Amino acid sequence: QKEVEQNSGPLSVPEGAIASLNCTYSDRGSQSFFWYRQYSGKSPELIMSIYSNGDKEDGRFTAQLNKASQYVSLLIRDSQPSDSATYLCAVKDRTGGFKTIFGAGTRLFVKA
Amino acid sequence: GAVVSQHPSRVICKSGTSVKIECRSLDFQATTMFWYRQFPKKSLMLMATSNEGSKATYEQGVEKDKFLINHASLTLSTLTVTSAHPEDSSFYICSASPLAGAGEQFFGPGTRLTVL
Repeated sequence: QKEVEQNSGPLSVPEGAIASLNCTYSDRGSQSFFWYRQYSGKSPELIMSIYSNGDKEDGRFTAQLNKASQYVSLLIRDSQPSDSATYLCAVKDRTGGFKTIFGAGTRLFVKA
Repeated sequence: GAVVSQHPSRVICKSGTSVKIECRSLDFQATTMFWYRQFPKKSLMLMATSNEGSKATYEQGVEKDKFLINHASLTLSTLTVTSAHPEDSSFYICSASPLAGAGEQFFGPGTRLTVL
């Protein structure tokens, strides 16, 4: 059973701080890694994708991937109240027709 | 990013009726689309993978005769909830990928179904 694990939270950070979201996955064959943001009552929105080891930065967001440790993280710098949402980690691999496995999500609260 | 639309966004129906939900990829072609459902404060649950021109692949525990999926073109997939019951009330979300394989997956805005 392939799994993607996330701490459900809630993770609470003050406005302006760095929020650090973590995710581990069980399948070493995983090839693609994604972070989605989901506001309450809305559908998930893709915010970052990462395919190789290391860091990938996009604005205030940085995704970090360590395939040896089967670990992917998302850092949100200068956190804003509007960042308050559930963040879903997702992993794709070659088997099963590149089915995406989603974590249960981490709820983030950014306090003004 | 790629845009996926869903219609309707919200539907209320009586028990026993059928409801059709459309999912369209607006600016790309999608050979594969995915259908999910999500209960309040719960994670996404993949229901089925919709393949253009062929039968959908359903996840274990999902009744294919109840949740009919048709992927008639490279830009349109439909989910029909047949003989709906109150326990079918949920948030249904489709997604699609512009590229086959390990690429990014984009979600539609979702359809909130309430069965009375």
